[in-house]
Amino acid sequence: NAGVTQTPKFRVLKTGQSMTLLCAQDMNHEYMYWYRQDPGMGLRLIHYSVGEGTTAKGEVPDGYNVSRLKKQNFLLGLESAAPSQTSVYFCASSPLSASGYTFGSGTRLTVV
Amino acid sequence: DQQVKQNSPSLSVQEGRISILNCDYTNSMFDYFLWYKKYPAEGPTFLISISSIKDKNEDGRFTVFLNKSAKHLSLHIVPSQPGDSAVYFCATTSFSNTGNQFYFGTGTSLTVIP
Repeated sequence: NAGVTQTPKFRVLKTGQSMTLLCAQDMNHEYMYWYRQDPGMGLRLIHYSVGEGTTAKGEVPDGYNVSRLKKQNFLLGLESAAPSQTSVYFCASSPLSASGYTFGSGTRLTVV
Repeated sequence: DQQVKQNSPSLSVQEGRISILNCDYTNSMFDYFLWYKKYPAEGPTFLISISSIKDKNEDGRFTVFLNKSAKHLSLHIVPSQPGDSAVYFCATTSFSNTGNQFYFGTGTSLTVIP
């Protein structure tokens, strides 16, 4: 009963480096999301997907790209990391509209 | 612009007493509201929800109240226990939102003192 699994859990990047955060869910949920959590800002939506092969922008999409090639996986990419992207990133999934999310345990990313 | 606000960043309560966490929202189209609880180094977990057709929902020690006219949501925890110490986020969406995107508040850190 893994639920939502995020990898890696921690990462330090240098400015300008790229990386991909992986989110995997085993609940057959249609919808998947990437949020970032920053002090005093709560959780802000970066990108989301309403099904395999679809993605859409959230509140703070700049500097990020996503892909959902398989229903169970949702990838978040940073092409050229910036210190402003230092944050804790949470992936979430839900089965349908107006349902609560199941969250992963988060990825703490530091960009130096 | 923050659509969901939790104006108290922190709250301390004695064990056994009531904890009241508050949340305000700006958009009258929001019609589904949730509270999440988050421990350090873990993801948020669902706690309790309420839809706009109700003004109260209870689940054990947790009760959520909704005042639509004031665009205000509150979570009551009675009695508070040390294990309730966590960060609490309110979140809201609209049933007409096809992407099921929730807007989250900034969180309130609750400390229950034994």
